[in-house]
Amino acid sequence: GQQLNQSPQSMFIQEGEDVSMNCTSSSIFNTWLWYKQDPGEGPVLLIALYKAGELTSNGRLTAQFGITRKDSFLNISASIPSDVGIYFCAGRENTNAGKSTFGDGTTLTVKP
Amino acid sequence: DADVTQTPRNRITKTGKRIMLECSQTKGHDRMYWYRQDPGLGLRLIYYSFDVKDINKGEISDGYSVSRQAQAKFSLSLESAIPNQTALYFCATSDRGISTDTQYFGPGTRLTVL
Repeated sequence: GQQLNQSPQSMFIQEGEDVSMNCTSSSIFNTWLWYKQDPGEGPVLLIALYKAGELTSNGRLTAQFGITRKDSFLNISASIPSDVGIYFCAGRENTNAGKSTFGDGTTLTVKP
Repeated sequence: DADVTQTPRNRITKTGKRIMLECSQTKGHDRMYWYRQDPGLGLRLIYYSFDVKDINKGEISDGYSVSRQAQAKFSLSLESAIPNQTALYFCATSDRGISTDTQYFGPGTRLTVL
């Protein structure tokens, strides 16, 4: 089956810094998704991407669907303490509508 | 009230015991999923159901079974629990159409098998 490599595994940054994380896949996806998981909670969808090259923003978050359809990145600008959590990428192929493959997550720590 | 609820939130059990984790949703979605999460790993799909009469295995279904009792209820069973099934379990739901990309997750059940 498809594999997703998400990096970095963890990040420790100072409040106010920008953050970048990415995912690469061994196969082509037609949808890329980015989720955030707060401690003790289930993941919540942040951004969904549907087209190669698409760049989408949600507040301080920006995500892009790679041209090759095998990668995606998420940027967070001017980080704040509540950005702390685990960020997951997920991809979906045409033949598995509704089913997503998840990356292993990037754990973000923001120091005030 | 939460749209997706899971019971219990925490469970400690012994090796060999049968246990059931329950999930209920009030979102009216047809599609429901069970995932497990282990430290440092992403969410791995155990089983999923696209409607009441549809049950499909995910990538790690061995040792688990499910029952879709109604559109709103999807339960996960461990017939004979073993220690490596200690994990955080999430139920999720999604709708049909373009919004199937959005999965709504429950708060999770933390299961410990001794």
